Amino acid sequence: AIQLTQSPSSLSASVGDRVTITCRASQGISSALAWYQQKPGKAPKLLIYDASSLESGVPSRFSGSGSGTDFTLTISSLQPEDFATYYCQQFNSYPPITFGQGTRLEIK
Amino acid sequence: QVQLVQSGAEVKKPGASVKVSCKASGYTFTSYGISWVRQAPGQGLEWMGWISAYNGNTNYAQKLQGRVTMTTDTSTSTAYMELRSLRSDDTAVYYCARDLMTTVANFDYWGQGTLVTVSS
Repeated sequence: AIQLTQSPSSLSASVGDRVTITCRASQGISSALAWYQQKPGKAPKLLIYDASSLESGVPSRFSGSGSGTDFTLTISSLQPEDFATYYCQQFNSYPPITFGQGTRLEIK
Repeated sequence: QVQLVQSGAEVKKPGASVKVSCKASGYTFTSYGISWVRQAPGQGLEWMGWISAYNGNTNYAQKLQGRVTMTTDTSTSTAYMELRSLRSDDTAVYYCARDLMTTVANFDYWGQGTLVTVSS
């Protein structure tokens, strides 16, 4: 199974900061990567698909990049509603579909 | 608007089975698939499997093979996930999510989640 490793596992930042989360795959997955945001007690929400395509309705401050094994999610200017846990997910090779372990973004 | 509405919370004893439903609305059910993802308390996301609502093809996570069955009822636009021989480590919130018709990809709409608690 392809393993996804996110870094950092947790992050403290302030409103207005630029934040980058990375996701590294154990083998190449082309651009078959998605990013999700999850708030406590809620279902995940799709932010980015195909590594860099912004899901409809998602603010443009979110962006994704990368291909192969290294990927990034960037939030250009943190807003209060962005404090949540973020997951990457690969769909290049399955079963199984795999997720990263998550990155918890907290208010500094 | 697309909605996936799941059945309510369940409490089961070890060894029992649970069947969770996911009723879809707002889109053509048979033009998509459904994946099931679970999340143990305080833990990350785990993909369980996928079913095509078009032809019923399935693809299950190997660790659940033999214990999980996913089905659909196209007459009611409802997907089902049955998990048998429940253990305490099956305690989790179970989500259904809309997926592609012919393959697994990413999940653009999610149900609200169903908490399944396995306890003696």
